[in-house]
Amino acid sequence: GESVGLHLPTLSVQEGDNSIINCAYSNSASDYFIWYKQESGKGPQFIIDIRSNMDKRQGQRVTVLLNKTVKHLSLQIAATQPGDSAVYFCAENKERGSTLGRLYFGRGTQLTVWP
Amino acid sequence: DGGITQSPKYLFRKEGQNVTLSCEQNLNHDAMYWYRQDPGQGLRLIYYSQIVNDFQKGDIAEGYSVSREKKESFPLTVTSAQKNPTAFYLCASSLMGQGIYGYTFGSGTRLTVV
Repeated sequence: GESVGLHLPTLSVQEGDNSIINCAYSNSASDYFIWYKQESGKGPQFIIDIRSNMDKRQGQRVTVLLNKTVKHLSLQIAATQPGDSAVYFCAENKERGSTLGRLYFGRGTQLTVWP
Repeated sequence: DGGITQSPKYLFRKEGQNVTLSCEQNLNHDAMYWYRQDPGQGLRLIYYSQIVNDFQKGDIAEGYSVSREKKESFPLTVTSAQKNPTAFYLCASSLMGQGIYGYTFGSGTRLTVV
């Protein structure tokens, strides 16, 4: 079953505001986490990833925070734009040090950006 | 440009027919995966393969079959045994080896039963 879940299935923000999308995971053995963006009718696109030896990682307008104490992952999008409207998925590997490569996906959060 | 290509983009299947979805990658990735996505749902793993001529069942393999005769190709056949095949199908690939790497996804195939 799924161990990666989302606190909210939908999130609406106004253009220019910051967005925070949350994800909870239950497997303390997970040591790799990744966020994907999926636009309607398209395949998911890589946004950012983080390994368990880090608490924070920044990309272009995005930041991923990892709180291993409470098994929580978040994606922050700065100055949200209409083009950010999509479904966002988090995923974890569940198997520390494994070379299997399998990722386990959450159900996703639909982000809608209003002008 | 390197990437992963799925075809066709749209596919229609009649009751009782088998259909095959194509997935090709030129990224030299070792592992390939097939996921099914239903409206408002996450990604559910159908099959995956780590090396040529070997593949493993995922969480919802019943009614599906795959082959991995070449590193670059991982076709998925949706058989007549799959009772509810209408869905969006996603193929992905990844490197393997030291540690884990993220997936690269294809653009998907939307299968509809008519």
